[in-house]
Amino acid sequence: EDQVTQSPEALRLQEGESSSLNCSYTVSGLRGLFWYRQDPGKGPEFLFTLYSAGEEKEKERLKATLTKKESFLHITAPKPEDSATYLCAVQAATNAGKSTFGDGTTLTVKP
Amino acid sequence: ETGVTQTPRHLVMGMTNKKSLKCEQHLGHNAMYWYKQSAKKPLELMFVYSLEERVENNSVPSRFSPECPNSSHLFLHLHTLQPEDSALYLCASSQFQGLLNTGELFFGEGSRLTVL
Repeated sequence: EDQVTQSPEALRLQEGESSSLNCSYTVSGLRGLFWYRQDPGKGPEFLFTLYSAGEEKEKERLKATLTKKESFLHITAPKPEDSATYLCAVQAATNAGKSTFGDGTTLTVKP
Repeated sequence: ETGVTQTPRHLVMGMTNKKSLKCEQHLGHNAMYWYKQSAKKPLELMFVYSLEERVENNSVPSRFSPECPNSSHLFLHLHTLQPEDSALYLCASSQFQGLLNTGELFFGEGSRLTVL
C-alpha cells in the first residue's frame, strides 16, 4: 500500500527565515511525486511534479527535490504570503489516476 | 468561468435530506475526481471518472452516488448521510493519456458539507 508521511505537521518561521518541509514515501514504482499548496477554505493548487530521483523544480521562493525515499520542499526567504498548508502526493506507476496524499505541513510565516 | 468550479460552496443538511454537489471543469480534461477532506486526515479519493466511465470507487458507502453525464460535469448525490460525513468535498480534474496520467490534479474550491 502506498504511503506518504509529511513532517513537520506545523512550521512557524519568521519572514526571511529559510527552511525545508519533508515528504517521505513508499510506493511500488513511482510514477510521480506532486506538491500542492492549499490556502484555508480553498482547494489545493498544483505546484510541482517530480518524476525521478535527483530531479529538482523551482518556482519563485520554492524548490522541490526528490530522492528514492523522500522529497523536500525548500522555502528560501519566505514571506507571509507563503503561509499555507503544503501537501505532498504520490502516484504509483501501476495505479494510474490514483494519488495518495500526506497529511500536509501547515506553514506560518510571521512578518 | 475558468478552472474547476463547485457549487454550492456551503451546504447544511439533515440526515434524511437528499442533496447534490455539482462540479464543472473548463480545462478540457477527460478525467474527474471526488475527494473528501476531513480535519486532521489526508485527502481521501472517493471516485474517479475517465472519459465518463467510473474507473475507481474507493469503497465509498452507497449513500454517496456519483454521476458524470459528460467530461465537463460531475455530480455527487447525497442521501441519508451521517454526521461523520461532514467534511470538505473537493472536485478535481486531470488529463488522462491512455493508461498514463500526467498526475497533476486541478481542484475546485470545494463544497463544505455539514450534516446535522
